[in-house]
Amino acid sequence: GQQVMQIPQYQHVQEGEDFTTYCNSSTTLSNIQWYKQRPGGHPVFLIQLVKSGEVKKQKRLTFQFGEAKKNSSLHITATQTTDVGTYFCAGPAGSSNTGKLIFGQGTTLQVKP
Amino acid sequence: KAGVTQTPRYLIKTRGQQVTLSCSPISGHRSVSWYQQTPGQGLQFLFEYFSETQRNKGNFPGRFSGRQFSNSRSEMNVSTLELGDSALYLCASSPVSERSPLHFGNGTRLTVT
Repeated sequence: GQQVMQIPQYQHVQEGEDFTTYCNSSTTLSNIQWYKQRPGGHPVFLIQLVKSGEVKKQKRLTFQFGEAKKNSSLHITATQTTDVGTYFCAGPAGSSNTGKLIFGQGTTLQVKP
Repeated sequence: KAGVTQTPRYLIKTRGQQVTLSCSPISGHRSVSWYQQTPGQGLQFLFEYFSETQRNKGNFPGRFSGRQFSNSRSEMNVSTLELGDSALYLCASSPVSERSPLHFGNGTRLTVT
């Protein structure tokens, strides 16, 4: 079945270092969404990418959608302790544009001050 | 706007019992999805309701069921609880429009003993 894989599973960085998580889908995606879940919290929507090769920035966060629309990445420049949490990518199941998303396993980011 | 509200926040049940979880979506959101989150399996889609109809279903046994009311509020029920049902159950709502991001509630932490 359709799968979304994320690497790495865990990442420990020193505050100020950069961080990148990668997401790969077994199928072409109509769009990809990124969510962040703080420890003890719930996933919070960060961004959605729709176009092939799309790049979007949110302050220190840069999101990319691959040309083939099968992979994506999230890069954080100069991490801060507020960046701690688990970052999930998610894509629609099949051609659906409904609430059925296939989530990656997530990358848990720890930032040492 | 108030966010997605899930009740109760915590539940402890014993094997064989049944449980009902409740979700009130963001006002105006007609789609409600349910996800199960566990450390081993990550975020897995249970089902989605739209206009009181189940629109999508994940790969969970028939013990997991849900419904949606005319005011878009949703409930999910798990019967004959098993130890493996211990998880964080997340409800998410979204508007009708295509490619809408999911807005998650705080979740219900279910522990089965």
